[in-house]
Amino acid sequence: GAGVSQSPSNKVTEKGKDVELRCDPISGHTALYWYRQSLGQGLEFLIYFQGNSAPDKSGLPSDRFSAERTGGSVSTLTIQRTQQEDSAVYLCASSPQYLLGFFGPGTRLTVL
Amino acid sequence: RKEVEQDPGPFNVPEGATVAFNCTYSNSASQSFFWYRQDCRKEPKLLMSVYSSGNEDGRFTAQLNRASQYISLLIRDSKLSDSATYLCVVNTGRRALTFGSGTRLQVQP
Repeated sequence: GAGVSQSPSNKVTEKGKDVELRCDPISGHTALYWYRQSLGQGLEFLIYFQGNSAPDKSGLPSDRFSAERTGGSVSTLTIQRTQQEDSAVYLCASSPQYLLGFFGPGTRLTVL
Repeated sequence: RKEVEQDPGPFNVPEGATVAFNCTYSNSASQSFFWYRQDCRKEPKLLMSVYSSGNEDGRFTAQLNRASQYISLLIRDSKLSDSATYLCVVNTGRRALTFGSGTRLQVQP
């Protein structure tokens, strides 16, 4: 069956540019999470969506980061005016309930 | 203090060895606990949930100690294929999961 998919798989951008990362969750999963993982580091929580509730944005590192989830399905994470410290793997996960998640393969973002 | 702390390792063990990892958490109200496995340059995958009474899945045993606020993962008869980073994951009361930084295991022939 289809798992969580993310696109692009790799993104190289120049400092100061905006990027959009996409996540297609498993159909029917109400919960969707974004995490990021820097090289050799643990996962850093960014944002969480659950159904129609207001998203938990407490992990977003700055106002350059934003995310949307349209129709309770696809989510887009947008990073404006990218900085080199934004370079990381951005992981999306979805879940039928909030306790555990199934991860996508991630988007590897490199900011030059 | 981090919400979830793990010894980063690496733990280098020979094939067939038994190895155990601990993970401590700071929020005593935490309710749900999991171990995930992450292979190099891959996404994390759920290994097992951790139940209050302890639980076993083949060669893997997970235990929870609420009084001391730690969970453990025991791997018996280690295989080369067990080499990975093991992530401790806790529901700390926020709606999303909090991940530890992981413990790296290297099983050697």
